[in-house]
Amino acid sequence: DTGVSQDPRHKITKRGQNVTFRCDPISEHNRLYWYRQTLGQGPEFLTYFQNEAQLEKSRLLSDRFSAERPKGSFSTLEIQRTEQGDSAMYLCASSSGGSNQPQHFGDGTRLSIL
Amino acid sequence: AQKITQTQPGMFVQEKEAVTLDCTYDTSDPSYGLFWYKQPSSGEMIFLIYQGSYDQQNATEGRYSLNFQKARKSANLVISASQLGDSAMYFCAMRDNAGGTSYGKLTFGQGTILTVHP
Repeated sequence: DTGVSQDPRHKITKRGQNVTFRCDPISEHNRLYWYRQTLGQGPEFLTYFQNEAQLEKSRLLSDRFSAERPKGSFSTLEIQRTEQGDSAMYLCASSSGGSNQPQHFGDGTRLSIL
Repeated sequence: AQKITQTQPGMFVQEKEAVTLDCTYDTSDPSYGLFWYKQPSSGEMIFLIYQGSYDQQNATEGRYSLNFQKARKSANLVISASQLGDSAMYFCAMRDNAGGTSYGKLTFGQGTILTVHP
């Protein structure tokens, strides 16, 4: 059973650069979520995909953030013109349909902005 | 808006003892789900247990059980027979239907750091 996979595990970049993260969900899961977690806090919801459709976005997701799930399989999260405040762990989760189904999380991508 | 409160920043327990981690929630939706996750220092979020708002019985999964008190809006996690490997951050999370418009996103509490002493 392959879990949720995220790449890279760590990303260090200079302020102002663009970064892109990838998430491969569990293969049979049609729901995919992105969360952001800062140190000592719980994860905060960013956006949600059902298959290839992006159905919900948080107000946390500024115009510099964009997410895609082109074929309803893997997803990418891009941050343009990174800022210091973007430093965080970015978590991807997937689940199957059904309100009682848990979301299964990847190991996350830790972003550090220099 | 939904809200999750975990009032215990840190908890300590002796190995083999039981420990209760508190979680209270606030929602106006009658249909919701409560989840507990464990996050070790390595960072991955591990699903532990689920309780639905309409479930008649408290959820149990091995050494984990959920003390669900709907009227008090609390969903405390009980870990029995603590092990050293239980040392981690624990998060309570809620999914609600937001009147039928939510797509299952989770709202998390601040977390509780559990330390198990030998």
